[in-house]
Amino acid sequence: EPEVTQTPSHQVTQMGQEVILRCVPISNHLYFYWYRQILGQKVEFLVSFYNNEISEKSEIFDDQFSVERPDGSNFTLKIRSTKLEDSAMYFCASSVRGSLYNEQFFGPGTRLTVL
Amino acid sequence: AQSVTQPDIHITVSEGASLELRCNYSYGATPYLFWYVQSPGQGLQLLLKYFSGDTLVQGIKGFEAEFKRSQSSFNLRKPSVHWSDAAEYFCAVASKGAQKLVFGQGTRLTINP
Repeated sequence: EPEVTQTPSHQVTQMGQEVILRCVPISNHLYFYWYRQILGQKVEFLVSFYNNEISEKSEIFDDQFSVERPDGSNFTLKIRSTKLEDSAMYFCASSVRGSLYNEQFFGPGTRLTVL
Repeated sequence: AQSVTQPDIHITVSEGASLELRCNYSYGATPYLFWYVQSPGQGLQLLLKYFSGDTLVQGIKGFEAEFKRSQSSFNLRKPSVHWSDAAEYFCAVASKGAQKLVFGQGTRLTINP
């Protein structure tokens, strides 16, 4: 069964460093998403991406964040200068189409720890 | 703005017992409602969803949920839990035409043998 994969499973970084979180969506999916969950808090939507453009983003997704689909398979989330409050579990998801009639399939997450 | 509340952070039930996980939402119109499950080391897996029609929705793994507009609730139920149901359960809401899901805080389910 096809699944969304994410690497690494755990990333530790120093405050101020840049990190790139990687995701491989399901191959025939066209819409891609990032969510995050700070420990003890809710899973929060960050951004959705379609046709090489951001289609929707939350207030959390400020200039520190960027997303890219560098090739035909990967979807990345970059945090330019990490802050302590960026420590969280980051989930990637993908769907065939953008309507919520189409299920979003989630990856297992990358736990980011900023020291 | 939409929001979801899962009042129970952690629930423990015995194997074979019935289960109900609570979910309350806040949204002006008819929402799209979802339940996801996350097992350790796994991604969020969709259990069931409600868009319209019959308010009792059947999902995978023997789960069902009932949409009650008057109570703004979408509680998840299972008549008899199995040890493999131990996981984190998330309720989510979305509006028509939106792409993003708004999640509750999650309920961790522990199963006693």
